[in-house]
Amino acid sequence: SAVISQKPSRDICQRGTSLTIQCQVDSQVTMMFWYRQQPGQSLTLIATANQGSEATYESGFVIDKFPISRPNLTFSTLTVSNMSPEDSSIYLCSVVARVNTEAFFGQGTRLTVV
Amino acid sequence: RKEVEQDPGPFNVPEGATVAFNCTYSNSASQSFFWYRQDCRKEPKLLMSVYSSGNEDGRFTAQLNRASQYISLLIRDSKLSDSATYLCVVKGSGTYKYIFGTGTRLKVLA
Repeated sequence: SAVISQKPSRDICQRGTSLTIQCQVDSQVTMMFWYRQQPGQSLTLIATANQGSEATYESGFVIDKFPISRPNLTFSTLTVSNMSPEDSSIYLCSVVARVNTEAFFGQGTRLTVV
Repeated sequence: RKEVEQDPGPFNVPEGATVAFNCTYSNSASQSFFWYRQDCRKEPKLLMSVYSSGNEDGRFTAQLNRASQYISLLIRDSKLSDSATYLCVVKGSGTYKYIFGTGTRLKVLA
């Protein structure tokens, strides 16, 4: 199994600011994903982080709001830009080592925007 | 219709009871199926993969019915520590996306 370090674990941010979340994996993985989980809800896929190219965003999520980087096979960042209280949520990094195998998750970042 | 559907519960059962969850999926070409467990304020963790022939891990049994497009999870002899949300996850053929159900909450009562 992959060991994932996600930072920060939580933050309280002012509206209008941006926060960058980091995801570091202890081994090279095929796929890296970013999810959002709002209170009492299931996980919603934001985007797939592609190594060396632009991320693939799901419907309702755009690059200007959620820029993503993946410079190599073990690291990715998600930025939540120009935050509003509606962005308050848990953000989760997920990795898949090989196609069709299980996904592993980072510990999550609990974001509160005030 | 949602791609993956689960009964949200909560299922409140006494210790020692047997409880079953079902999950239906809409894409008949789906390839991989999993059950995850999520504790309150924690990340999801893999409980078990679901194979075509069905599989068992201790008190937990998972089954796949491709004809009816559902997967199931059976928990026998429920423990208090089984209280959590159980997430059904499906990966389709020809896609890299893992689709999560809304989760089923289980509360095992003393």
